[in-house]
Amino acid sequence: GAVVSQHPSRVICKSGTSVKIECRSLDFQATTMFWYRQFPKKSLMLMATSNEGSKATYEQGVEKDKFLINHASLTLSTLTVTSAHPEDSSFYICSAPRPPSGYEQYFGPGTRLTVT
Amino acid sequence: DAKTTQPNSMESNEEEPVHLPCNHSTISGTDYIHWYRQLPSQGPEYVIHGLTSNVNNRMASLAIAEDRKSSTLILHRATLRDAAVYYCILIPSGGGADGLTFGKGTHLIIQP
Repeated sequence: GAVVSQHPSRVICKSGTSVKIECRSLDFQATTMFWYRQFPKKSLMLMATSNEGSKATYEQGVEKDKFLINHASLTLSTLTVTSAHPEDSSFYICSAPRPPSGYEQYFGPGTRLTVT
Repeated sequence: DAKTTQPNSMESNEEEPVHLPCNHSTISGTDYIHWYRQLPSQGPEYVIHGLTSNVNNRMASLAIAEDRKSSTLILHRATLRDAAVYYCILIPSGGGADGLTFGKGTHLIIQP
């Protein structure tokens, strides 16, 4: 069964609004989670590293004020796309390292965001 | 991260073995070779990983060249459900806490 869940699985919002995506680790704790974005027919691109109890680390070119990340507990990280625009429409995927080694990543099922 | 090179796409018939190659000529001595796959409209899933020796699990086998500059993911008997994009990724020892760098991967097409 799934070990990392995401909610919602798909969302449609109007331009200028904000959207929150949740990523939960099931049955294990994750002090670190990762957020990726994937455009159609493209590969996944790492956006940021979510750290429980501290600030997220963003990859170069990713606006931290636009993509707000909160890792409020050991099993939940949220990504909020603020003031969304059509170009933010994408497939957003989170992952968490499998304990104890962390070598294997568990990925969530993804969230399809469409901004109209 | 060391770069990997994979064919853009491959096609195979159902119930036949599939060999997916990956070149990583700049691999360092402590890089692990990982394979993930992504089924359509889903998040990626871990397939297998290895360092030097060949590895087998319930999903696939991983054959690693003696010089470690290339590896091959082997699906022994492909099914339609194996149609996915397969990614070969190098992860340095101790790099388990880092996000993954995905290349373009190989789009595997399975013909019935």
